Amino acid sequence: GAVVSQHPSRVICKSGTSVKIECRSLDFQATTMFWYRQFPKQSLMLMATSNEGSKATYEQGVEKDKFLINHASLTLSTLTVTSAHPEDSSFYICSAMASEANEKLFFGSGTQLSVL
Amino acid sequence: QKEVEQNSGPLSVPEGAIASLNCTYSDRGSQSFFWYRQYSGKSPELIMFIYSNGDKEDGRFTAQLNKASQYVSLLIRDSQPSDSATYLCASDNAGNMLTFGGGTRLMVKP
Repeated sequence: GAVVSQHPSRVICKSGTSVKIECRSLDFQATTMFWYRQFPKQSLMLMATSNEGSKATYEQGVEKDKFLINHASLTLSTLTVTSAHPEDSSFYICSAMASEANEKLFFGSGTQLSVL
Repeated sequence: QKEVEQNSGPLSVPEGAIASLNCTYSDRGSQSFFWYRQYSGKSPELIMFIYSNGDKEDGRFTAQLNKASQYVSLLIRDSQPSDSATYLCASDNAGNMLTFGGGTRLMVKP
């Protein structure tokens, strides 16, 4: 089946640093990718929709200058958490839509971000 | 207002029983519905999707869709302890974006 690779799986950083998370579709092209965050015991919260070659669409309340999204190719989207603070600590998950698979959504393995 | 609603649970069933998970949605324009399973600390994985009224079976899983009543359910037959997880219901909407429910935590007791 379709595979989405997300890296790194876990990152610990100091407050004020920036962290980049990569999301790759390994065996299909994804014109649309999604970024979510999830706090403990809560459901996924959509942060932004990323379309290849265009600017990401952010959900209400998500700071686009803090969460930079780049979708430069059909197989790669990146999320950069700029100037991370402890309140940004969360589980970040990407997903990619597989057009060849009836537009089903496949998820990356997630990134646990801990900001000290 | 949440567009997809699920009972947060936990839903506790004995091993071997049928687990019934329910989900309601408010957007009548939604066409496809998805069930994801998420183990604690892991990413969700797709179990089934359904877009036609009625039942769709895949192994021990059966998805049921009733568009008139705007609900979708997931039945798990012969529940196993390994089925213990959070089950997320999602519906598509305009632009092929998914809206997720809050998830139902299922506990299958040996």
